[in-house]
Amino acid sequence: QSALTQPASVSGSPGQTITISCTGTSSDVGKYKFVSWYQQHPGKAPKVMIYDVNNRPSGVSNRFSGSKSGNTASLTISGLQAEDEADYYCSSYTISTTLVFGGGTKLTVL
Amino acid sequence: EVQLLESGGGLVQPGGSLRLSCAASGFTFSSYSMSWVRQAPGKGLEWVSTISGGGTNTYYADSVKGRFTISRDNSKNTLYLQMNSLRAEDTALYYCAKSPVTTWSALDYWGQGTLVTVSS
Repeated sequence: QSALTQPASVSGSPGQTITISCTGTSSDVGKYKFVSWYQQHPGKAPKVMIYDVNNRPSGVSNRFSGSKSGNTASLTISGLQAEDEADYYCSSYTISTTLVFGGGTKLTVL
Repeated sequence: EVQLLESGGGLVQPGGSLRLSCAASGFTFSSYSMSWVRQAPGKGLEWVSTISGGGTNTYYADSVKGRFTISRDNSKNTLYLQMNSLRAEDTALYYCAKSPVTTWSALDYWGQGTLVTVSS
């Protein structure tokens, strides 16, 4: 159960669009449409932003979107805002009927 | 309003045991899969275990298989995690999380966590 691979950090200026990648294998990200993305602010519990690759829960801004190509999933945040600064984690269902998370990406809004 | 309240964390010696609880409210508990996810201090999220709504199906991370047991009491709207043979590397904040009805692979509500520290 190796963790999914995410960049350690990404940054962008307010109003810009950024993308966070999440690379797995043909046994997890590449095989299933069960990729989720979570936002975590310091000292807070994670919050789901995207599930099943590209579905947004009610209440989540439409500035957040998800996609997948092959073994890599992506989270895109458009119109970057200061409150988007947080840690972001991807997760995927796996062929072993387990869940695996990515190592996390720290988003800095410049 | 969905609420998840974890309890039972604390300081335990290596090799010891601890049982975590998660009291749920605001939804039909028995209809949803529930999971435990942990986060070591300053580290990322790690999935620990999931149990189906009826309690029939359970799933574990390799790192805890054989040592941890997930269970639920739907009459009490409570999720449990029995942790045995604890190791220093089990030290973490343990979150309880609920899944949507359509898939247990997503976690749509999380508690605030309970801290487990394994140390002599």
